[in-house]
Amino acid sequence: QQQVKQSPQSLIVQKGGIPIINCAYENTAFDYFPWYQQFPGKGPALLIAIRPDVSEKKEGRFTISFNKSAKQFSLHIMDSQPGDSATYFCAASRGSSNTGKLIFGQGTTLQVKP
Amino acid sequence: GAVVSQHPSRVICKSGTSVKIECRSLDFQATTMFWYRQFPKKSLMLMATSNEGSKATYEQGVEKDKFLINHASLTLSTLTVTSAHPEDSSFYICSARDGPGQPQHFGDGTRLSIL
Repeated sequence: QQQVKQSPQSLIVQKGGIPIINCAYENTAFDYFPWYQQFPGKGPALLIAIRPDVSEKKEGRFTISFNKSAKQFSLHIMDSQPGDSATYFCAASRGSSNTGKLIFGQGTTLQVKP
Repeated sequence: GAVVSQHPSRVICKSGTSVKIECRSLDFQATTMFWYRQFPKKSLMLMATSNEGSKATYEQGVEKDKFLINHASLTLSTLTVTSAHPEDSSFYICSARDGPGQPQHFGDGTRLSIL
């Protein structure tokens, strides 16, 4: 029940395309859903996050869609660029709890071809 | 803002030595810090959670005597890998947040290689 399942494992798109990465969770106590971007040899960087009281959040070219009833959320990258090539992780947590432990998805390696 | 600095970025040492990794929050006070381990092409695995001034809480299967965590101040946490062996070679990453409900910000990781 603590798992977050992420798909696909890898994704290749052409420049300008819209890659979509999906995540699903089981624990209805989760109330904070961030996405992280990680480049090789670096730590993850927070991209965008959403809480379950909204169904969509947009920041720049990144959009999170959230479906509370289906317990799913997804990341869309508009007008993708080669510089977006990285590994993306979704995560979930009980953000307001004292520990705030993040449960990470398995990761998606994105390649954006020029 | 919200910068987390991790040092060293890379360390290579002989089997049996102990290695200390530092994690600092540079522009905020980190009430909670987290330590993760990441294997190549894999996700992040939480090792332990530490609150300033308290003992760390370790995840199941993580040896607390092997991975010593200290969080003595609001800006510094350390992870010491004691008597390191080749199987401890990995990418260790810390993160920090400044309170409940706040996002975790990650350091750039430490690549540990034990020969």
